[in-house]
Amino acid sequence: SQKIEQNSEALNIQEGKTATLTCNYTNYSPAYLQWYRQDPGRGPVFLLLIRENEKEKRKERLKVTFDTTLKQSLFHITASQPADSATYLCGYNAGNMLTFGGGTRLMVKP
Amino acid sequence: DTAVSQTPKYLVTQMGNDKSIKCEQNLGHDTMYWYKQDSKKFLKIMFSYNNKELIINETVPNRFSPKSPDKAHLNLHINSLELGDSAVYFCASSQDRLGSGNTIYFGEGSWLTVV
Repeated sequence: SQKIEQNSEALNIQEGKTATLTCNYTNYSPAYLQWYRQDPGRGPVFLLLIRENEKEKRKERLKVTFDTTLKQSLFHITASQPADSATYLCGYNAGNMLTFGGGTRLMVKP
Repeated sequence: DTAVSQTPKYLVTQMGNDKSIKCEQNLGHDTMYWYKQDSKKFLKIMFSYNNKELIINETVPNRFSPKSPDKAHLNLHINSLELGDSAVYFCASSQDRLGSGNTIYFGEGSWLTVV
């Protein structure tokens, strides 16, 4: 069955450092991956979309990579700030569905 | 100004009751969704409608019945509530079907607690 996995353990980093979150998928070749941010008590908010023919996508301090050989996407936040603390969800499309991983909680300490 | 709004935000009810959650989007999108997020934070698709037509129904018990009176509204009715139905239910919408790379706009969630 199709699977998408994110590191379920929280990632704790110091302010100013680069946070790197991992998303791995198996048994499927998605046309694109999407990353969302979810704050406690709120709905997920779209951040970035990367297509299978794109190796890298950037938006301000955010960068996403897509390695179809490794079946992996990496999500980077450079110069991290405490305000970046949230849960980050990776999702891939399977037809008309977006299937999400379990999310990784990021804590940025001042 | 809220793009995807759902009501109620909090709902506490007894086992066996029937309840509904309403959702409306003002983005002019054609496709709407219901997602369920359980206590382990997994976000799972339940249903999707495109222009009032059901296009996704992901092995959800028959006690759950979505209804889309028009493409701006997608309601979720749950019969005979069970303890395991306790979760956060998110309504969402996208411009069109997801195959072409549309992104999803989520509502703020409805916290359902069954006691």
